[in-house]
Amino acid sequence: GQQVMQIPQYQHVQEGEDFTTYCNSSTTLSNIQWYKQRPGGHPVFFIQLVKSGEVKKQKRLTFQFGEAKKNSSLHITATQTTDVGTYFCAGNTGGFKTIFGAGTRLFVKA
Amino acid sequence: GAVVSQHPSRVICKSGTSVKIECRSLDFQATTMFWYRQFPKQSLMLMATSNEGSKATYEQGVEKDKFLINHASLTLSTLTVTSAHPEDSSFYICSARVDRNQPQHFGDGTRLSIL
Repeated sequence: GQQVMQIPQYQHVQEGEDFTTYCNSSTTLSNIQWYKQRPGGHPVFFIQLVKSGEVKKQKRLTFQFGEAKKNSSLHITATQTTDVGTYFCAGNTGGFKTIFGAGTRLFVKA
Repeated sequence: GAVVSQHPSRVICKSGTSVKIECRSLDFQATTMFWYRQFPKQSLMLMATSNEGSKATYEQGVEKDKFLINHASLTLSTLTVTSAHPEDSSFYICSARVDRNQPQHFGDGTRLSIL
């Protein structure tokens, strides 16, 4: 069945270091979404990428959608302690269901 | 915009009790709502997809008689955990979206503890 693999599962960084999480889909996606879940909270939508090769930026965050629309990445430049949480990608093939990756838990040490 | 309200936020009850959780989209109409279960430090596990006015589609391994889902209107879906047991204790989260091209907006979740 359709799968969305996300790596790494965990990442520990020192404050100020960069961080990247990657998602790979077994099938071509119509769009990919990124969410963040703070500890004890619920997932909050960040951004949606639709076009092949698309790159979007939100302040220190850069989101990329691969040319083949099968992979995506989220890069955070100069992490801060407020970046702590779990980052999920979610892929949609155009059907009803959106497949979530397993998430990457980011720990930032001050 | 795009606010989803989930109620209650926490439930503690005895084994055998049925628990109803409500999910409302406050400022948009949701053609589809989703129900997830999340174990500590784990990812979101999709339980079922609910479309307004039709029967929910359950994921493999999810008992539909155990987890009753009703999507009576474009702004309300409910999940009823029937005859809950300690193994049903978990964090349940709903989400709603306008259509398949739009992102999901999540409720705050319900932490269910069965004693």
